[in-house]
Amino acid sequence: DAGVIQSPRHEVTEMGQEVTLRCKPISGHDYLFWYRQTMMRGLELLIYFNNNVPIDDSGMPEDRFSAKMPNASFSTLKIQPSEPRDSAVYFCASSFSPPPASGGLYNEQFFGPGTRLTVL
Amino acid sequence: RKEVEQDPGPFNVPEGATVAFNCTYSNSASQSFFWYRQDCRKEPKLLMSVYSSGNEDGRFTAQLNRASQYISLLIRDSKLSDSATYLCVVISGYSSASKIIFGSGTRLSIRP
Repeated sequence: DAGVIQSPRHEVTEMGQEVTLRCKPISGHDYLFWYRQTMMRGLELLIYFNNNVPIDDSGMPEDRFSAKMPNASFSTLKIQPSEPRDSAVYFCASSFSPPPASGGLYNEQFFGPGTRLTVL
Repeated sequence: RKEVEQDPGPFNVPEGATVAFNCTYSNSASQSFFWYRQDCRKEPKLLMSVYSSGNEDGRFTAQLNRASQYISLLIRDSKLSDSATYLCVVISGYSSASKIIFGSGTRLSIRP
């Protein structure tokens, strides 16, 4: 079975350019998460969706970042314009809704392989 | 103060040793706790959930101390393949109102 798919795996771009990262979640999962990981700040949640609707985008650094989920099988994270400090590994993850019997508690997230972004 | 803090690494221990590290959290209303494992240049993967009563999975034991607001991970009889970074995850709230925070990770290196 295919896991979470991310593209591109590596992206090198110049400051000021637009960058679009793509994610295909595991089929049937109704939660999708975007994370950023750096040595300095660790793994940070940027935004997450439930049934294609953004639920919490409080982690999005600033207006240069935007995320969309037009359908259940595709999401994008866009940075425009990109800056050197955006260099990081960006992970997408997906999960099922927590089972009702759990009281709505968190369910396991499955991460994609990540996109390593370098902004020169 | 960070909302979730982990023991600084790296931990460098010999094969067969027992190693333990902690993760402290500041929000007393936190509901769910997990340990993830991340290999070098790979994605995080769920290692185990942390239940109030503590739980064990083979050589791994996870415990929760709500009074002192920390979770712990104990690895017995460590193997070379246990070398990785271990991330704790603390969840506050439920379902769509959840706040998910990953710790910065503890790096573990097992030497022969």
